[in-house]
Amino acid sequence: AQTVTQSQPEMSVQEAETVTLSCTYDTSESDYYLFWYKQPPSRQMILVIRQEAYKQQNATENRFSVNFQKAAKSFSLKISDSQLGDAAMYFCAYGYQGGSEKLVFGKGMKLTVNP
Amino acid sequence: GAVVSQHPSRVICKSGTSVKIECRSLDFQATTMFWYRQFPKKSLMLMATSNEGSKATYEQGVEKDKFLINHASLTLSTLTVTSAHPEDSSFYICSARSGFAEAFFGQGTRLTVV
Repeated sequence: AQTVTQSQPEMSVQEAETVTLSCTYDTSESDYYLFWYKQPPSRQMILVIRQEAYKQQNATENRFSVNFQKAAKSFSLKISDSQLGDAAMYFCAYGYQGGSEKLVFGKGMKLTVNP
Repeated sequence: GAVVSQHPSRVICKSGTSVKIECRSLDFQATTMFWYRQFPKKSLMLMATSNEGSKATYEQGVEKDKFLINHASLTLSTLTVTSAHPEDSSFYICSARSGFAEAFFGQGTRLTVV
């Protein structure tokens, strides 16, 4: 069965600095997706970034980028120029290629941004 | 991105009564929806997978008779918490992933049973 592990329950970062959130996963599949979701205090789950396993290039979305190491089954999220609005719970998730399959979530990590 | 609307956002009900939560896909057809429960500062716990026109698939340990799920159309799935008790108080979230790589989430429903 697929598993997603986020080993750091909490992290903090100073405003304008860079922080990296770690995630590892386990799967025997070759085609899959990986995601980072953000859950702010409103509790609305928001997609931050996604990575297709078949792509070697790391995904980027403005200040957010990933370091995808397929062989190591590692998928870290880097947040550059951290902003106060980045404070939230962050969840790493795995999704099988099949579009109607459930996502597997990590336990989440609470990010605090200090002014 | 696609929009999933969940209603109500908050509900308070008396112990022993039932409460229904709706999850609608507003701009796409959701053949599959997922219902999660989330405890404070915890990850999402999948309760069941809801497929349009068929019975929901429940995760191990989730009571089918307590958490009734109906997915009667391609845009609507409902979760009914029957004979609610205080221990059912929680945050419930729905999502849909039909045909997309990512899942889109509703706003969540905070249920309080008094």
